[in-house]
Amino acid sequence: GQSLEQPSEVTAVEGAIVQINCTYQTSGFYGLSWYQQHDGGAPTFLSYNALDGLEETGRFSSFLSRSDSYGYLLLQELQMKDSASYFCAVRDRTSGSARQLTFGSGTQLTVLP
Amino acid sequence: DTAVSQTPKYLVTQMGNDKSIKCEQNLGHDTMYWYKQDSKKFLKIMFSYNNKELIINETVPNRFSPKSPDKAHLNLHINSLELGDSAVYFCASSQGGGREWEQYFGPGTRLTVT
Repeated sequence: GQSLEQPSEVTAVEGAIVQINCTYQTSGFYGLSWYQQHDGGAPTFLSYNALDGLEETGRFSSFLSRSDSYGYLLLQELQMKDSASYFCAVRDRTSGSARQLTFGSGTQLTVLP
Repeated sequence: DTAVSQTPKYLVTQMGNDKSIKCEQNLGHDTMYWYKQDSKKFLKIMFSYNNKELIINETVPNRFSPKSPDKAHLNLHINSLELGDSAVYFCASSQGGGREWEQYFGPGTRLTVT
């Protein structure tokens, strides 16, 4: 089966840097996605890593180590609007061989002034 | 222009009723999904269609039946609603060709069963 682990809550102050870790166990792994969801809103795509290394998109970066089954999302220069839930999701195969995203339980990030 | 839209946004109904949720995407995507998000924010895939063909059908009670009349629409019909069906249901879409890592979600339908 699949399992993903990420911290349930993280708190940081404005302007700081925060890292949200994600470890996973799955078969047929293709890559790791990250999504942001504000309270009452829809998940929105942030980044995707298929290969080892760091991907940077503005203030957000995402890292993957396939050998360690580990990834993280790095948020720099935190702003109040970054307060949201962040989900890692593995791209893998279902038992029927279709590719899918399996989501972690989410990390609630609170940014304090 | 809304990329992925769902109706209704809120749905309050009694146990035993039958209800439907509609989803439409104007992104030209080939693949559409239904997810259920529970009160603990756990997001779980229910179904996926690619070009109107069902490709993912997770362990979901057969009271839930998806229908895709064309590749821009994916509806969800739920029979004999139960209290445990209360959740937020999200529709999503992605491009074909294996780009399921980047999904575009609709605003969600908050279903409350009383």
